[in-house]
Amino acid sequence: DSGVTQTPKHLITATGQRVTLRCSPRSGDLSVYWYQQSLDQGLQFLIQYYNGEERAKGNILERFSAQQFPDLHSELNLSSLELGDSALYFCASSVASLGSGRYEQYFGPGTRLTVT
Amino acid sequence: GQQVMQIPQYQHVQEGEDFTTYCNSSTTLSNIQWYKQRPGGHPVFLIQLVKSGEVKKQKRLTFQFGEAKKNSSLHITATQTTDVGTYFCAGDNYGQNFVFGPGTRLSVLP
Repeated sequence: DSGVTQTPKHLITATGQRVTLRCSPRSGDLSVYWYQQSLDQGLQFLIQYYNGEERAKGNILERFSAQQFPDLHSELNLSSLELGDSALYFCASSVASLGSGRYEQYFGPGTRLTVT
Repeated sequence: GQQVMQIPQYQHVQEGEDFTTYCNSSTTLSNIQWYKQRPGGHPVFLIQLVKSGEVKKQKRLTFQFGEAKKNSSLHITATQTTDVGTYFCAGDNYGQNFVFGPGTRLSVLP
């Protein structure tokens, strides 16, 4: 158990819909990262927040957005869903931020999203 | 944009044989990290390399970071069935981006 929690575990929804994935980081961690893992795309970095502020952006679509709240939990919002958005979405947390020197990321168990 | 490649894509070894996976970035990295993901699991942090030419060992695992900070390798000595999984490298582009390689899937035959 990494200490990072993600809800829900599974999500099945239809094309065009909007969903919200939630992540609670490990106690004491200020950074939260979101990743998408699909069979054909591997593990893709989406976005990182540090203490409530966006710090780094990867291959995140405009239909996707995220935020980190004052209690440090984070939400990833996916809208206008397409079949290709079906994937495993991981959240990870770390004490420090990207580019800050030494840090390690702890991954949650993931949310499996199926778009039908 | 930044790209991270890994070879090989798959590796099948007999238990007791050695295994090496190589990681190459298209850009110079501030640091590189290695993760292991077991089938059905989530990535688990193994190590972070920061300095040019750095070599670190963890029991049977040896990690290297190239002098130019663009490549890295992971070597496992005398593989065991518990080493099965996919090994990913991930490059930190000075805080701008964090790119995972496609991974090397290792299977170990008993």
